[in-house]
Amino acid sequence: EAQVTQNPRYLITVTGKKLTVTCSQNMNHEYMSWYRQDPGLGLRQIYYSMNVEVTDKGDVPEGYKVSRKEKRNFPLILESPSPNQTSLYFCASSLLGYGGGAILFFGPGTRLTVL
Amino acid sequence: AQSVTQPDIHITVSEGASLELRCNYSYGATPYLFWYVQSPGQGLQLLLKYFSGDTLVQGIKGFEAEFKRSQSSFNLRKPSVHWSDAAEYFCAVAINAGGTSYGKLTFGQGTILTVHP
Repeated sequence: EAQVTQNPRYLITVTGKKLTVTCSQNMNHEYMSWYRQDPGLGLRQIYYSMNVEVTDKGDVPEGYKVSRKEKRNFPLILESPSPNQTSLYFCASSLLGYGGGAILFFGPGTRLTVL
Repeated sequence: AQSVTQPDIHITVSEGASLELRCNYSYGATPYLFWYVQSPGQGLQLLLKYFSGDTLVQGIKGFEAEFKRSQSSFNLRKPSVHWSDAAEYFCAVAINAGGTSYGKLTFGQGTILTVHP
């Protein structure tokens, strides 16, 4: 089944404790992206990647890191989480080409709480 | 930079009634336009998209949307709403740069749809 998977689905942590949220897709998509969703703000892009070893900042990259060492994986790293990073996080992927990077397939989401 | 506005935070309709969700965008040219739906506890699913051509586009689940360049709008419609349509709906735009969006997708704030029986 074609899908984007994220782990963990739920995470409660404390301020300053490094964490990684994994994202994997099995559709051979070149493009992958991370979004955070907050009430009243919609989805805001954190980072995106057009291909292996090619990443770029979205609208709200502060406090986050990403890497793209393999085509299928795009982990999101919070080196020192803070309470304002409490949010619902979505990973998404897409083929490039016509309209590329825009027809997104979303993962199920990771709800992160930073105490 | 492009931006998207969904003026209605929350809309309530009766089952069987028609629906229109509004979306306005700000961008210097014609962008790629999308509507996504998010059911409770789920990720987002693409309803429909507009890239070029016919300004009335059909999507899944009986939804359609009309692109109006003069109004910078891309409103979502459904003639008869079902209880299962209750969800949050997001309009999104992406830069149309000669066939690629360069990975830049901007979402509106979302509209929550409640359906009364």
